[in-house]
Amino acid sequence: QVQLQESGPGLVKPSQTLSLTCTVSGGSISSGSNYWTWIRQPAGRGLEWIGRIYPSGSTNYNPSFKSRVTISVDTSKSQFSLKLTSVTAADSALYYCARGSSRITVFGVESRFDYWGQGTLVTVSS
Amino acid sequence: QSVLTQPPSVSAAPGQKVIISCSGSSSNIGNNYVSWYQQLPGTAPKLLIYDNNKRPSGIPDRFSGSKSGASATLGITGLQTEDEADYYCGTWDGSLSASVFGTGTKVTVL
Repeated sequence: QVQLQESGPGLVKPSQTLSLTCTVSGGSISSGSNYWTWIRQPAGRGLEWIGRIYPSGSTNYNPSFKSRVTISVDTSKSQFSLKLTSVTAADSALYYCARGSSRITVFGVESRFDYWGQGTLVTVSS
Repeated sequence: QSVLTQPPSVSAAPGQKVIISCSGSSSNIGNNYVSWYQQLPGTAPKLLIYDNNKRPSGIPDRFSGSKSGASATLGITGLQTEDEADYYCGTWDGSLSASVFGTGTKVTVL
């Protein structure tokens, strides 16, 4: 059973960089068509996809974050990480890491997030 | 800001059926597969439906999904109190080159 666990500071000052790590266990971070993703949820609001990384290091980011976000992977540690720069109070949220899978077919892209971490709350405040 | 639109809430009595809609466009639902997630209070989302209508192992057949054009629906039959949760649709958006989620729907069992 794949398990994911987020870790990192729960409090970040405005204008600084938010840094989180997700540790994957119970399965290989390097397996096939899977990728690793960050999703956040502001209090009382919906889910927002931040970006993803494949084991190869290839990334895709939500255009809303593109200039501020970096996702990296360390396969030797079975970890992947999120860095979000120049944070404001609007970046306060519950941050989830998850495993995704995606396949391109003639009928479109199949995609899903099948394993999630429990989430870690990040508050941006001075 | 979500590009997929869901009703904020739906409700029904135990044993009844609810249907949750998810409306998008040709750049997302119209040309890609849809997944659905259940988020029980205070917990992480859980995959409920993928590839429009497939259920992961362990998900009861009371949950079903369908897609037509640029819209998708999640149906829950035989509603139970433990189904009270927030439900989100999700898909890939080819124009954004990003995964997108719906606005979320709160299901209340009366």
